[in-house]
Amino acid sequence: NAGVMQNPRHLVRRRGQEARLRCSPMKGHSHVYWYRQLPEEGLKFMVYLQKENIIDESGMPKERFSAEFPKEGPSILRIQQVVRGDSAAYFCASSPLPGNTIYFGEGSWLTVV
Amino acid sequence: SQELEQSPQSLIVQEGKNLTINCTSSKTLYGLYWYKQKYGEGLIFLMMLQKGGEEKSHEKITAKLDEKKQQSSLHITASQPSHAGIYLCGADLMINSGNTPLVFGKGTRLSVIA
Repeated sequence: NAGVMQNPRHLVRRRGQEARLRCSPMKGHSHVYWYRQLPEEGLKFMVYLQKENIIDESGMPKERFSAEFPKEGPSILRIQQVVRGDSAAYFCASSPLPGNTIYFGEGSWLTVV
Repeated sequence: SQELEQSPQSLIVQEGKNLTINCTSSKTLYGLYWYKQKYGEGLIFLMMLQKGGEEKSHEKITAKLDEKKQQSSLHITASQPSHAGIYLCGADLMINSGNTPLVFGKGTRLSVIA
């Protein structure tokens, strides 16, 4: 049973470009969570999605960031017009039901140059 | 302010020594999770504690939950180089928190030296 799969693992973007991060949850998991990890700041919640629905996006920046989890295919975190401050590790996690243990992927490391 | 405080922030121990990492919440804990992260990698789930006084062990790692103190401790016995990494605690801070995401501490960086 494959774990949470994230790609790309590493991504370099120039300022102003778009970054798309993909996450395939564990088999049987329909709840996906995105977190961002910045040096010295720890792991910060961004958004929680269920298939085709955003449940909680209280941690998402108001501009340039969006997330989706379509009926078919992976969840996608999209960052438009990236800036240097967006450089971070972005982690996806999934669970089979709300309130269950969440399992993390290996992360996507975004570097904005 | 940080809802979950971990201490110490970093720790260097000699191989074979015991160590304890603490995670203290400013709010009531309804579930406490411990994860381990190796540098540049994802988080690996270690264990979950839900009830006050609950204690769980996996190999040489033991975690306890003190509900009254709103605190959890992670104890490693006879540390080995394989224990090195960042230990993060995550918590449910709302009752029936089905739709509430976990909040995490900043982590404790553990180094084990020979």
